[in-house]
Amino acid sequence: GENVEQHPSTLSVQEGDSAVIKCTYSDSASNYFPWYKQELGKGPQLIIDIRSNVGEKKDQRIAVTLNKTAKHFSLHITETQPEDSAVYFCAASSTSGTYKYIFGTGTRLKVLA
Amino acid sequence: DSGVTQTPKHLITATGQRVTLRCSPRSGDLSVYWYQQSLDQGLQFLIQYYNGEERAKGNILERFSAQQFPDLHSELNLSSLELGDSALYFCASSVEKGSSGAWEELFFGEGSRLTVL
Repeated sequence: GENVEQHPSTLSVQEGDSAVIKCTYSDSASNYFPWYKQELGKGPQLIIDIRSNVGEKKDQRIAVTLNKTAKHFSLHITETQPEDSAVYFCAASSTSGTYKYIFGTGTRLKVLA
Repeated sequence: DSGVTQTPKHLITATGQRVTLRCSPRSGDLSVYWYQQSLDQGLQFLIQYYNGEERAKGNILERFSAQQFPDLHSELNLSSLELGDSALYFCASSVEKGSSGAWEELFFGEGSRLTVL
């Protein structure tokens, strides 16, 4: 069945440095790749997404890249700030698949001041 | 505030018992999803409903069941509870545009934390 692998599981960076989280999906029919941020005690919230017809998307300090051939997509956060500390989830979705959203296992990002 | 309401926020019960978790989706959202998040684990997809009908099923145990009512709220029923069922249960909703499968953001509630003793 569909599977999404996410690495690393934990990531610590110094404030101002960049952070990169990588995901790999298995279902070649996947065509939508959202990223969610979960702060402590809250539900996940969408921060950025990318569709299969686009290779890269940027929104201020956040960017996502997609390599459909390799079935990889990544989240890049530049100039990290303490408020970026959270758990980040990638997900893959297919408009023709059984599931709407399959989430990765999450990455706990700690930004050290 | 995502607009998705989950009750109760916290629930403590004993093994063997049955509980019901409730979710009210955002106004206008037709799809409801249920996810289970165990300690330090990812989001495990349980089940999805669209406009009252089951749309997709994930790793949902036979002891668990769900439904979506005509007013679009949903309930997740967990029975014969075991210690391992202790987790955070999230409900999410989205606007569903039907079989064309428009990609939609999921809006999550704040979860119901279930503790089975």
